[in-house]
Amino acid sequence: AQKVTQAQTEISVVEKEDVTLDCVYETRDTTYYLFWYKQPPSGELVFLIRRNSFDEQNEISGRYSWNFQKSTSSFNFTITASQVVDSAVYFCALSEKGGSEKLVFGKGTKLTVNP
Amino acid sequence: DGGITQSPKYLFRKEGQNVTLSCEQNLNHDAMYWYRQDPGQGLRLIYYSQIVNDFQKGDIAEGYSVSREKKESFPLTVTSAQKNPTAFYLCASSIAGGAVYEQYFGPGTRLTVT
Repeated sequence: AQKVTQAQTEISVVEKEDVTLDCVYETRDTTYYLFWYKQPPSGELVFLIRRNSFDEQNEISGRYSWNFQKSTSSFNFTITASQVVDSAVYFCALSEKGGSEKLVFGKGTKLTVNP
Repeated sequence: DGGITQSPKYLFRKEGQNVTLSCEQNLNHDAMYWYRQDPGQGLRLIYYSQIVNDFQKGDIAEGYSVSREKKESFPLTVTSAQKNPTAFYLCASSIAGGAVYEQYFGPGTRLTVT
């Protein structure tokens, strides 16, 4: 069975600090997909990144970066030089190919960036 | 602009009443999904549909029903059989087939049943 664990329930930082959100997953499949979503206070989930299990290359997008390590079943998300607008709940999710493409979500990490 | 619309944003109902939540998308996506979110929790899948006139139960389908008569629309009915219906409901859609693609979400409907 697939499972996603986000051990950090809440994180609070001061603006301009770097922050890493952890995501550990469990799956028996060799083909799977990992996602990160952002949920601001408005409630709508915003897609951030999708990564398949065959692509372990780390990715950087502006202040955002993702570190995918199959050896530790982790897909961590780092925000560099955090800003108040980064305050949100962040969800990591997993989908197995052949599992009807449904997403299994972690419980989320609430990030608060203080000015 | 392409996207997913859910209406209404807030919905109040009395216990024992059925209520239908609307979800419409103009992204031309084949797959659509309904999730439920409770405070401090992740999203849990209620129902999903990968093609018109076909849908599958998710992890928490009891007390809910759906229909998929049109590609653009995937309404969710919360029935009186749902024991704890107060929650935030999110609809999503995605490309289907081949790889697993990202899902795009609507703004959500916050349902309160008293």
